[in-house]
Amino acid sequence: DAGVIQSPRHEVTEMGQEVTLRCKPISGHNSLFWYRQTMMRGLELLIYFNNNVPIDDSGMPEDRFSAKMPNASFSTLKIQPSEPRDSAVYFCASSQESGARGYRNTEAFFGQGTRLTVV
Amino acid sequence: GEDVEQSLFLSVREGDSSVINCTYTDSSSTYLYWYKQEPGAGLQLLTYIFSNMDMKQDQRLTVLLNKKDKHLSLRIADTQTGDSAIYFCAEIPGSGNTGKLIFGQGTTLQVKP
Repeated sequence: DAGVIQSPRHEVTEMGQEVTLRCKPISGHNSLFWYRQTMMRGLELLIYFNNNVPIDDSGMPEDRFSAKMPNASFSTLKIQPSEPRDSAVYFCASSQESGARGYRNTEAFFGQGTRLTVV
Repeated sequence: GEDVEQSLFLSVREGDSSVINCTYTDSSSTYLYWYKQEPGAGLQLLTYIFSNMDMKQDQRLTVLLNKKDKHLSLRIADTQTGDSAIYFCAEIPGSGNTGKLIFGQGTTLQVKP
């Protein structure tokens, strides 16, 4: 497997434009995560899907952010309209959870990230 | 609550041992993890420990868990320049009922030759 694939690797856009980040998880993985990494705030979990269903989106900053997972092999994170403070590296990760409820273990595999710059 | 704290920076000399520390707040976490991020790359799992263990050793890596104090540490023996990276501590909070991973801020390890 090629691992978690994110596109684009780099995105530069003007304030106010719509930005769509894409992720292809590892085949067979049932969980998908979107993280944002900045120097100031570190690594923040934005949203977590399990079996294509959003389980926890409490980390999504505001209504300008939305995420979808229409099927097991594809997810998008959309920012509309984008602002300079959205500039960050956005990571997608996927995992196959194992273990019984209450003892779930998961190794998350990360993509290379998308470096977003909003000017 | 869900909170993982780490110191931000550690500098060591090549050949010395490095100890990276982490504290977490959710006492029900069943698995705790250490991830490594090299420049320009995503995170990669280094090792993990189950909460009923005090210690886990894997070649140059030793993980120590003090569940009473909610303190986790990663010791790297004979640190090499290739170990320079950001190291993240992570937990699955909430009694492990989901696979939701929460990360600390990351500790930048600088290894001087």
